[in-house]
Amino acid sequence: GENVEQHPSTLSVQEGDSAVIKCTYSDSASNYFPWYKQELGKRPQLIIDIRSNVGEKKDQRIAVTLNKTAKHFSLHITETQPEDSAVYFCAASPVEDTGNQFYFGTGTSLTVIP
Amino acid sequence: DTAVSQTPKYLVTQMGNDKSIKCEQNLGHDTMYWYKQDSKKFLKIMFSYNNKELIINETVPNRFSPKSPDKAHLNLHINSLELGDSAVYFCASSPGLAGGGYEQYFGPGTRLTVT
Repeated sequence: GENVEQHPSTLSVQEGDSAVIKCTYSDSASNYFPWYKQELGKRPQLIIDIRSNVGEKKDQRIAVTLNKTAKHFSLHITETQPEDSAVYFCAASPVEDTGNQFYFGTGTSLTVIP
Repeated sequence: DTAVSQTPKYLVTQMGNDKSIKCEQNLGHDTMYWYKQDSKKFLKIMFSYNNKELIINETVPNRFSPKSPDKAHLNLHINSLELGDSAVYFCASSPGLAGGGYEQYFGPGTRLTVT
C-alpha cells in the first residue's frame, strides 16, 4: 500500500516569513495530492490540492508543487500570518477503485510567531 | 446548513460501556468515512462506505461496528470501551471514491473520553 511521509513534524516561523512542508509518497499509482489544514479544536479542511498531470498550483499565498519522478510534493505558504498557525496534513490517493482512501501524512504543526 | 454533522460532540463514558456516534451528511455524497485522531493528531482511517457498502475495514478491533442505513448516514457503534479508545472521531464524506480525487468534507468531530 501507499506510504506517505511528512516533514517536519513541527515548524515555527516569524510572521511574514515563508513556510515549506514536504511530503514523499511510495506508490507511483497515486494521482491526487490534497493538503488539509486543521486549526486547534476544529475539523480538517481542504486548502489546496494537485493532480499528477500538474506540476504546480497556486492560490493566493499558498502553493503546492509536485515532482512525480521523485515522488514528492510540497506546500509553500508565503507571507505567513498568525492565522496560518495550525496542523497541516498532506495526503496521497491512488487511482485504483478498490483502495478507497486517502493516505495521510503524520501532520506538521505550524506556529507563526507575531 | 451544516454539511457533515456528528452527534454527540463530546462523549465521556466508563470502561466497558457501549456507545454510538452518529453522522449525517446533506451533501448528496456517495462515500462516507470514519477516522480516528489520537493525541498525536494522526488521522487514521477506520472504515469507508460507498453507496452503503463497506469498502474499507482497516485493522480496527471488532468492537467497532459501523452501520450505514442509507447514503446520508454512517453511524459508529463501539462495544466494551477501553481507555485506548479515547480520541477524536471524525466522520467525512466525498462525492465519490478517493481514487477519483474528490475532496473529503469532515464533520466537527466527536471527542470520546473513556475513564
